[in-house]
Amino acid sequence: DVKVTQSSRYLVKRTGEKVFLECVQDMDHENMFWYRQDPGLGLRLIYFSYDVKMKEKGDIPEGYSVSREKKERFSLILESASTNQTSMYLCASSLALGLDDNEQFFGPGTRLTVL
Amino acid sequence: AQSVTQLDSHVSVSEGTPVLLRCNYSSSYSPSLFWYVQHPNKGLQLLLKYTSAATLVKGINGFEAEFKKSETSFHLTKPSAHMSDAAEYFCVVSVGDMRFGAGTRLTVKP
Repeated sequence: DVKVTQSSRYLVKRTGEKVFLECVQDMDHENMFWYRQDPGLGLRLIYFSYDVKMKEKGDIPEGYSVSREKKERFSLILESASTNQTSMYLCASSLALGLDDNEQFFGPGTRLTVL
Repeated sequence: AQSVTQLDSHVSVSEGTPVLLRCNYSSSYSPSLFWYVQHPNKGLQLLLKYTSAATLVKGINGFEAEFKKSETSFHLTKPSAHMSDAAEYFCVVSVGDMRFGAGTRLTVKP
């Protein structure tokens, strides 16, 4: 089974702090994704990566950056956390782009609170 | 561009009664469609997917969904709800990238 793990389940940070959220997948997937999940809004794509050192902006990249130095690891960075970034963050991975049935496999999520 | 609309933000059923979660999509191309389930404090799990094969798709835990192109719908159904079905359900349309609906919270009453 594909396993996607996230470094923390719960995180509390202060406004202005630099925050790192880590995600690791163990199935040699090409693609990795970061979403945030907010009530009534579903999942919104922040960034995704289709290869090592490659990244693409999603729908809401402002205030975030990402890093993918190794295929299995995809990090989300909040350079200066703000209270409106309090949310549930979900990481996902999938096989290469262009496949019609490209199922994404999700980690358990990190609930981030910014005070 | 594609989009998806889940018509109910909350559905409540009694245990043993049928479940219907409604989803409409918009897409310029033939899409792939998915339903994911999220139990409390868990990640999303794939229930089922449609990828241009049979229009009636069977998934895990007794769920199924029917792709109706003329109605641009992909509703999720289950004949008899179980307490363990209480969760949030997401409809997803994919043409290259994935677009998630806002979610439907299913409550199952004893």
